[in-house]
Amino acid sequence: GAGVSQSPSNKVTEKGKDVELRCDPISGHTALYWYRQRLGQGLEFLIYFQGNSAPDKSGLPSDRFSAERTGESVSTLTIQRTQQEDSAVYLCASSPRGTTETQYFGPGTRLLVL
Amino acid sequence: AQSVSQHNHHVILSEAASLELGCNYSYGGTVNLFWYVQYPGQHLQLLLKYFSGDPLVKGIKGFEAEFIKSKFSFNLRKPSVQWSDTAEYFCAVNARKAAGNKLTFGGGTRVLVKP
Repeated sequence: GAGVSQSPSNKVTEKGKDVELRCDPISGHTALYWYRQRLGQGLEFLIYFQGNSAPDKSGLPSDRFSAERTGESVSTLTIQRTQQEDSAVYLCASSPRGTTETQYFGPGTRLLVL
Repeated sequence: AQSVSQHNHHVILSEAASLELGCNYSYGGTVNLFWYVQYPGQHLQLLLKYFSGDPLVKGIKGFEAEFIKSKFSFNLRKPSVQWSDTAEYFCAVNARKAAGNKLTFGGGTRVLVKP
């Protein structure tokens, strides 16, 4: 079956513009996660969805960041008024129920803010 | 809050050498432990995991890791590496009682195996 997919794979934008990043989880997975990986660093948790609700948004770095999810399907991460420090790889992962099982990662979206 | 540290940022070794990557975490409660690997140009994928039971866990491609609770460590090992083990390795933990089980990652270790 298909894995987690993300689009676009690469995005270059100008400082101050808004961007939308998309994640398609594995079909049937109720839990969805967004992480960010800055250059030379580990992954940082951003937000977790269970279905279309977000019980844990604690990792969102500022109010410029928001995310939504349609049912148990696609999720969109939106960054408003992008800043250069937002440049990173944004990774999405899904898991069947959001309990102790493995998270499956997508290929990521590489965002560069000029 | 939990944190994870990986001691080495870069490791270079020759084929057939043994590999050990250190991972220590900071969290007072019960955790699940993971090692993920990212091969060049590929997705992050699970190498092995520990939830409970035997603290010595075996993963794919001949890797193993040992959970030592008293040391808050979960070091990754492979007795004899191959060129194809060139990758970046990430240790991760989640707190078993945390809603959603978000992962906290270490900074990663880049491993280069010379043929």
